[in-house]
Amino acid sequence: EADIYQTPRYLVIGTGKKITLECSQTMGHDKMYWYQQDPGMELHLIHYSYGVNSTEKGDLSSESTVSRIRTEHFPLTLESARPSHTSQYLCASSVGTGLAKNIQYFGAGTRLSVL
Amino acid sequence: QKEVEQDPGPLSVPEGAIVSLNCTYSNSAFQYFMWYRQYSRKGPELLMYTYSSGNKEDGRFTAQVDKSSKYISLFIRDSQPSDSATYLCAMSVYRAAGNKLTFGGGTRVLVKP
Repeated sequence: EADIYQTPRYLVIGTGKKITLECSQTMGHDKMYWYQQDPGMELHLIHYSYGVNSTEKGDLSSESTVSRIRTEHFPLTLESARPSHTSQYLCASSVGTGLAKNIQYFGAGTRLSVL
Repeated sequence: QKEVEQDPGPLSVPEGAIVSLNCTYSNSAFQYFMWYRQYSRKGPELLMYTYSSGNKEDGRFTAQVDKSSKYISLFIRDSQPSDSATYLCAMSVYRAAGNKLTFGGGTRVLVKP
């Protein structure tokens, strides 16, 4: 079982507020990811990190930002939340000793609603 | 055209039946193949992963990879109502720009008691 934790599980917040979604893993994985997923829809990669002080934007453009100061921690921040940010945000980390191996383990997700 | 195609379903089966899921892909360089199960409003849970062609079995689950046909399958034997979920396939290949997973869109499965 994967040890990757996301908080909060649910967040309802007003427009214009700054929010931070937390993600932590205890597996010592170097690689971490943030995905966005609307109900019944596909996963979209929005950010990823291959290690401390390394962050990259994913395939889907997002107004959110991320940081990776510690291996185990990969928070996502929205400076000013808008209703269009309403979605489920999923954090993942991966292990892979080979160049192609990328076995990702997911957290339970944060369901964000911006009013 | 998407790199990984997966029928969205829903696939409805009676309890005890075999569930057969599959994905096709276009990039012959994919090397690792994963299956995830996702319950409504939860994160995806890794079920199995395989490397290269062949079969892999884990309890009621069997994963198959046919690289010549660019086709992967997941079979669930003796299906239970608790197997009702969305099943996602995912694949990985080394890319110089960064190693990311490519996901299928998911197949929704309903197992009826």
